[in-house]
Amino acid sequence: KAGVTQTPRYLIKTRGQQVTLSCSPISGHRSVSWYQQTPGQGLQFLFEYFSETQRNKGNFPGRFSGRQFSNSRSEMNVSTLELGDSALYLCASSLEGGAGDGEQYFGPGTRLTVT
Amino acid sequence: GENVEQHPSTLSVQEGDSAVIKCTYSDSASNYFPWYKQELGKRPQLIIDIRSNVGEKKDQRIAVTLNKTAKHFSLHITETQPEDSAVYFCAASALGQNFVFGPGTRLSVLP
Repeated sequence: KAGVTQTPRYLIKTRGQQVTLSCSPISGHRSVSWYQQTPGQGLQFLFEYFSETQRNKGNFPGRFSGRQFSNSRSEMNVSTLELGDSALYLCASSLEGGAGDGEQYFGPGTRLTVT
Repeated sequence: GENVEQHPSTLSVQEGDSAVIKCTYSDSASNYFPWYKQELGKRPQLIIDIRSNVGEKKDQRIAVTLNKTAKHFSLHITETQPEDSAVYFCAASALGQNFVFGPGTRLSVLP
């Protein structure tokens, strides 16, 4: 079974631009979560999508948004990029999310650099 | 909401010694506690998990214990090896809720 994939793997953008990141979950997984990881800040939860609906949301500004398609693939969008948005963005998929059946598996991440 | 604390933030042990990382959580509804290992430049990998109906779980050199009353759980690594050097994250979640991660522990195993 193929693992979680993310595209692109690396991205360089300029302040003020917007960016879209993509995540393809493991086949059969309905929950996709997004995390921001910066040095020393651990894994900060952005949002979770389950069956095309945003089920949980972290404490990030409205510039961060996402969506999930009927095939469970998910995208996240960051508008009006700021220098502080430079980070590794990880997505993770699981069968049901949270404490449901099945474990959560991470993708390789997208390294976003904002200049 | 849930809050997960993790200690220590850094840990150095001699090869062959044991390492223990402790986490506490705040939401009594949390009932699933995974541990992830992240090596430099790689994605977090699930190494062991435990659900609230179990007090302890072992997998070779790795074990996790859970104390629901005190709301804390711990990762135990025995006979540490250099390849155990990584950042370890604990997490907690309840059904339908997102995972909340601890801030991580950087483990260094010295040869």
